[in-house]
Amino acid sequence: DTAVSQTPKYLVTQMGNDKSIKCEQNLGHDTMYWYKQDSKKFLKIMFSYNNKELIINETVPNRFSPKSPDKAHLNLHINSLELGDSAVYFCASSTRSRGYEQYFGPGTRLTVT
Amino acid sequence: QKEVEQNSGPLSVPEGAIASLNCTYSDRGSQSFFWYRQYSGKSPELIMFIYSNGDKEDGRFTAQLNKASQYVSLLIRDSQPSDSATYLCAVNIPRAAGNKLTFGGGTRVLVKP
Repeated sequence: DTAVSQTPKYLVTQMGNDKSIKCEQNLGHDTMYWYKQDSKKFLKIMFSYNNKELIINETVPNRFSPKSPDKAHLNLHINSLELGDSAVYFCASSTRSRGYEQYFGPGTRLTVT
Repeated sequence: QKEVEQNSGPLSVPEGAIASLNCTYSDRGSQSFFWYRQYSGKSPELIMFIYSNGDKEDGRFTAQLNKASQYVSLLIRDSQPSDSATYLCAVNIPRAAGNKLTFGGGTRVLVKP
């Protein structure tokens, strides 16, 4: 009965590969997010989707492509992985009726070698 | 100037004492304010939110908001070793494109028995 789940939890891959991270929420929220937390623990938003529509797209390399098949799912595909992409990626969700409090998934630790 | 600023710490607090954390923000249009707790290797967990000037209490936590001075603080009363974590301040700035949480860099709190 996990609220926001992500897979995989750990991802180790080589430079140049393409990988995907999946996120699902069962809270009935209408907005989902992707955040990146770097080695200095700074948490920065990358994308936000509301009802499957992209509403926030921060300055992120176009190697990163989010996709939301429905309100409960938000995936992140990364092409041509680089060393600097190594970080923890968090998915989060929220809803307008609860004042946009965001609830985070457990994170995916991506290591690019 | 960073949009949301916090002292990185560590803030060392004896067990049973009050931990006081501060956060300042730059955008006067900010409307909602959140405190998240993040244990090492875990995801951020929402512990408090505040929308109006003044104090809001929840158990051992009190959030204080002063919009005129553009700061929000978090008090942790009767600090316990289990409160040792990084506390992230987040500010919601409404935008036409959608709501976005901007996080501070976090304050690391260390409660010593």
